[in-house]
Formats: sequence, C-alpha cells, structure tokens
Amino acid sequence: DQQVKQNSPSLSVQEGRISILNCDYTNSMFDYFLWYKKYPAEGPTFLISISSIKDKNEDGRFTVFLNKSAKHLSLHIVPSQPGDSAVYFCAASARYGGATNKLIFGTGTLLAVQP
Amino acid sequence: DVKVTQSSRYLVKRTGEKVFLECVQDMDHENMFWYRQDPGLGLRLIYFSYDVKMKEKGDIPEGYSVSREKKERFSLILESASTNQTSMYLCASSQGGVGELFFGEGSRLTVL
Repeated sequence: DQQVKQNSPSLSVQEGRISILNCDYTNSMFDYFLWYKKYPAEGPTFLISISSIKDKNEDGRFTVFLNKSAKHLSLHIVPSQPGDSAVYFCAASARYGGATNKLIFGTGTLLAVQP
Repeated sequence: DVKVTQSSRYLVKRTGEKVFLECVQDMDHENMFWYRQDPGLGLRLIYFSYDVKMKEKGDIPEGYSVSREKKERFSLILESASTNQTSMYLCASSQGGVGELFFGEGSRLTVL
C-alpha cells in the first residue's frame, strides 16, 4: 500500500515559468514532510521541508504548501531553470520506536525544464 | 561538509554470489538506512538502524541482511544475489528525532 503518492511520473515546463509538483499521502500520523531532488547517478539531496504545524514554507525559488485536510502537499518552483531538471521525491516521516524517524518516499516525478 | 560514502559505485555480480555493500558516514549520526530505487517504485526502505548493533526491517527486507558493528558503518548483505535484486542501492544517515536524511551517491548493482 503506497502511503505517499506522486501521481505524475513526469512534468515538462518552460524555463522561467512555474513548476508545480504534487504529492498525496494517506497516513494522518505523518507530521513532517520533505522534498528531495535527484540527478541521474547521484544520491538524492534534501531540498525543503515542512512541519505539520505549518501550511507553507519558503526557501528562495522553492515553496512547499501543505493541506492537511486534503492530505496533500505541493512544491512550487518559481522561476524554473534548466538546472532544476531532475527527479523530485516527496517524503513523509513516520515515527518508529524511540527517536528514529523513518521516511516514506513517493515514486518520484521527473521534471524537465525546457530552455 | 557532511559525507556519506558508499564503497562501490558500480558492481556486476552473478546469481547466487554473496554481495557486500558498504556505507560510511562521518557525521556521527545515530540512524542509518538502506534504500533501493527502482523505476516507477521510488525509494523503498530495506533496513535501518538507530544504534550500533541494532537493526530494524524496512518495507522490503527479504533477501537482505545488514550489519552495524560501528556507529559510522552500515553494511548491506545479499546472501545469495538474484536478478530481481538488480537495482540502485542508496545508503543514508540522519540524526535522532525529526531530521533530513543525507544520502550517499548510490551503488548500481547488476546481477546476471
């Protein structure tokens, strides 16, 4: 059962326009959400996160929005640049045992920013 | 700068071979993880560890085992490799509590 879903496998956007990547989750116990970016043949790198007590977090060109009632979050990239072309993974934290956090990842969305 | 190092970037093994994937982190993190990435399936958790000599099964532990003898090192072991274990393997570490994962560059394993 996929607890974190990214229903769009790919997205193509023109340079300078807005990219919107979406993520849905099913587990209401998730309390922390992250976005990772991954280039081919490299490990994922952390991009931005949001706690469930907030509904928006912004870092430069990247903004994450959280809608808890809809169990939905989105990542906005404005303006999009060709270097943003990568696979983006949404992840949600599920606490386990003591202080460990186990991240559940979505299937990823391949973003292609066209020059 | 934080660093998670995976010993091999690319490996080719034969069915039935024993395979060791090594991961070392230099951040004194408590938690370490092994994921595999497959097209259309995202990142799936194999095993994780929140302390030395401790291990917990993730979502897809079958066919794998792990070892954590030292805090900085977390090894993934394929006792008898099979073709369906051909994948990109990613090691990660994190500090206790709510925190981001730091990933290594990945190990691309091909089992023939």
